[in-house]
Amino acid sequence: GAVVSQHPSWVICKSGTSVKIECRSLDFQATTMFWYRQFPKQSLMLMATSNEGSKATYEQGVEKDKFLINHASLTLSTLTVTSAHPEDSSFYICSASNQRGGLETQYFGPGTRLLVL
Amino acid sequence: GQQVMQIPQYQHVQEGEDFTTYCNSSTTLSNIQWYKQRPGGHPVFLIQLVKSGEVKKQKRLTFQFGEAKKNSSLHITATQTTDVGTYFCAGDPDKLSFGAGTTVTVRA
Repeated sequence: GAVVSQHPSWVICKSGTSVKIECRSLDFQATTMFWYRQFPKQSLMLMATSNEGSKATYEQGVEKDKFLINHASLTLSTLTVTSAHPEDSSFYICSASNQRGGLETQYFGPGTRLLVL
Repeated sequence: GQQVMQIPQYQHVQEGEDFTTYCNSSTTLSNIQWYKQRPGGHPVFLIQLVKSGEVKKQKRLTFQFGEAKKNSSLHITATQTTDVGTYFCAGDPDKLSFGAGTTVTVRA
């Protein structure tokens, strides 16, 4: 199947700093990428959908100024958690789809565990 | 709110036994997907069902899509320790919505 990478896999940072997470589709062009967060023993919560070259669509309750998403190319999307606080600590997972609107299979990255102290 | 509901939330199974997890949607789905997430890992795509009443098998796993395309089930026969993990269904009336998952543990 398709391969999606995520970097870094682990981040520990101080409160107030910004953290950038990269998501790359390695062997296909992803027209749509998705960002999720997952709290322990809970389901995936969609944060935003990004299409290459356009602004991300954020889910209700997700602050766009806090979670900056850039999808500059068909193989790379980045999520920046600005001024991170302890409540932002979570497992962030990206996924990539090669269909507009994401109606086809999503391939997930390995995730990034963020711990804000 | 969450449009896709999954039951049970937890399933503790004796090795060798069968079990089923169910996924229900309040709206008609264009397709349904199943994912497996091992402890500490990320979701991995298992299968996608598109047609009404569709049944697909992967070795000991049987996936079914309801006639009304509002529910789905995953049945695992002869459970093995490798089946441990959380199984998510995901459906998309308009965008992919994940169920809460069924976390499966196996006792040998």
